[in-house]
Amino acid sequence: AQSVTQLDSQVPVFEEAPVELRCNYSSSVSVYLFWYVQYPNQGLQLLLKYLSGSTLVESINGFEAEFNKSQTSFHLRKPSVHISDTAEYFCAVSDPGRSSNTGKLIFGQGTTLQVKP
Amino acid sequence: EAGVTQFPSHSVIEKGQTVTLRCDPISGHDNLYWYRRVMGKEIKFLLHFVKESKQDESGMPNNRFLAERTGGTYSTLKVQPAELEDSGVYFCASSHAQGAGNTEAFFGQGTRLTVV
Repeated sequence: AQSVTQLDSQVPVFEEAPVELRCNYSSSVSVYLFWYVQYPNQGLQLLLKYLSGSTLVESINGFEAEFNKSQTSFHLRKPSVHISDTAEYFCAVSDPGRSSNTGKLIFGQGTTLQVKP
Repeated sequence: EAGVTQFPSHSVIEKGQTVTLRCDPISGHDNLYWYRRVMGKEIKFLLHFVKESKQDESGMPNNRFLAERTGGTYSTLKVQPAELEDSGVYFCASSHAQGAGNTEAFFGQGTRLTVV
């Protein structure tokens, strides 16, 4: 069965420092990969996604993630974080279990990014 | 444009009672998903509607859970009778019909259910 592993449950970091949130998935077939973010008291929002093409994808607020097929990873990075980036981040894959991908998402356990001043 | 709306935002009920959660998807979205996050665990898929039809309900925990989507618009998730282990945050998401797998799913804020 598909699984997604986020290796760190909490990542504390100082403002303006770089950060990497790690995500590994298990799959022997093509998948779609996503990062969602949940800010305090809000719902999940799509941060970025990899469907095909360039393995490096970027978000509008400075995050980027790189799809690495050989390592089955999709780590999220940002070179300089802000206080406002404090949130919980979820890595997810789209389940290719059916011939027509239904959009069902399989999530990792979540990583809480805590940015300190 | 209104996003995905869930009601109530919080619910505290006693074991054995019934609770009904509601989700209003984004207008025009045929796909509707229910997910649940038990405290400390990952967000898990419960089921998927395409319009009013259940496409996949493989994640439903047991027959105490009943989901409906009459008319292909809003959806309800009823838990009857509720047990302590049903506590968690229930998320609803919706997306366009075409290319469901690579289409962004929009999530609601979730309903936090506490069974005491």
